[in-house]
Amino acid sequence: QVQLQESGPGLVKPSQTLSLTCTVSGGSVSSGIYYWSWIRKPAGKGLEWIGRVYASGTTNYNPSLKSRLTMSVDTTKNQFSLKLSSVTAADTAVYYCAREYYDFVFDPWGQGTLVTVSS
Amino acid sequence: QSALTQPPSVSAAPGQKVTISCSGSSSNIGNNYVSWYQHLPGTAPKLLISENNKRPSGIPDRFSGSKSGTLATLGITGLQTGDEADYFCATRDSSLSAWVFGGGTKLTVL
Repeated sequence: QVQLQESGPGLVKPSQTLSLTCTVSGGSVSSGIYYWSWIRKPAGKGLEWIGRVYASGTTNYNPSLKSRLTMSVDTTKNQFSLKLSSVTAADTAVYYCAREYYDFVFDPWGQGTLVTVSS
Repeated sequence: QSALTQPPSVSAAPGQKVTISCSGSSSNIGNNYVSWYQHLPGTAPKLLISENNKRPSGIPDRFSGSKSGTLATLGITGLQTGDEADYFCATRDSSLSAWVFGGGTKLTVL
């Protein structure tokens, strides 16, 4: 059974870079039939898709965040990661990682990690 | 404001049935598969329905999904107190080239 677990700092200062890692267990990020996605939920707001990375390193980003995003895959550690630069308070949210099957579905998800942007 | 519209809350008594709607447009629900998820705060969202109406292994047949045009619906029969959770829909938006989500519906089993 595939499981995903997010990790990273819970507090980031404004203008700095938010960095998160998702560790995959019970499966491989090298699998060629899945995308590896990031999704976030600000408090009191709906879910927002951030972007996804394929095993090859190919990425697709939400156009609204594209200029600040970098996603990558580390097959040696069976992890994928998210970097969001120039953060502001609006980036405060619970961040989830998830495995995506070809535009069809997210399954499974990680349990999420709260990242607060504050000085 | 979410791209997909869901009612903020629904409620029903144990054993009863509820439906949760998810309204979108031709660029998202109208031309892409819809999936549904159950979410308890502090836990990982759980897939209930994929590709409009398919139940993954282990999901009881009390949960069902349907889609007509730009409206998707999740149905839950035989409500149990353990069904109390937030439920949200998701689909790709072809115009935005992005996934979009519903705002979530809180189910209360009275």
